[in-house]
Amino acid sequence: QKEVEQDPGPLSVPEGAIVSLNCTYSNSAFQYFMWYRQYSRKGPELLMYTYSSGNKEDGRFTAQVDKSSKYISLFIRDSQPSDSATYLCAMRTQGGSEKLVFGKGTKLTVNP
Amino acid sequence: DVKVTQSSRYLVKRTGEKVFLECVQDMDHENMFWYRQDPGLGLRLIYFSYDVKMKEKGDIPEGYSVSREKKERFSLILESASTNQTSMYLCASSPTGGFQQYFGPGTRLTVT
Repeated sequence: QKEVEQDPGPLSVPEGAIVSLNCTYSNSAFQYFMWYRQYSRKGPELLMYTYSSGNKEDGRFTAQVDKSSKYISLFIRDSQPSDSATYLCAMRTQGGSEKLVFGKGTKLTVNP
Repeated sequence: DVKVTQSSRYLVKRTGEKVFLECVQDMDHENMFWYRQDPGLGLRLIYFSYDVKMKEKGDIPEGYSVSREKKERFSLILESASTNQTSMYLCASSPTGGFQQYFGPGTRLTVT
């Protein structure tokens, strides 16, 4: 089993839809959970992060972490064509290795 | 704002050539990373450096070497480029203990 699993999609939705992106993981020592957004021909940029469990909201974006299920989600409300990008989940432990473990990314297209 | 720059956006090299990819960050970060990104395979870590002259192999170091002579600069070297090294190469940096990695714009390398 890979440390982090993410459905690569692609995912295509109409404008205004609610989008749900998910990752599962196997390492219970992960404490930092991140979502990166990568536009075409650009480097990834941090979109949101959560420390340990719980929810975090930022505008139309909500990140959720369920450590009991080892499952994280990113919800996008009222999706816009400008949200079209690849979304990568990433995780790391607290202390220990400085490396991040990335999911493979989900390519999202929001159609006008 | 953190800035990570990469020496080239696009590069075309011939099989057997020695290739240098350079990355510079301006935020005094201790950690620097080289990844390659391929469709269906996601981001894969090639090498990681946690200090000047210090390096650690990532998941796919074969065929690559790195150099970090100054804190702000991290170079990736392809000793003898091969067609299977055609890829998008991404550099990133982070502070020690920080969870966020800051990415450069990437170099699209084609080896013919």
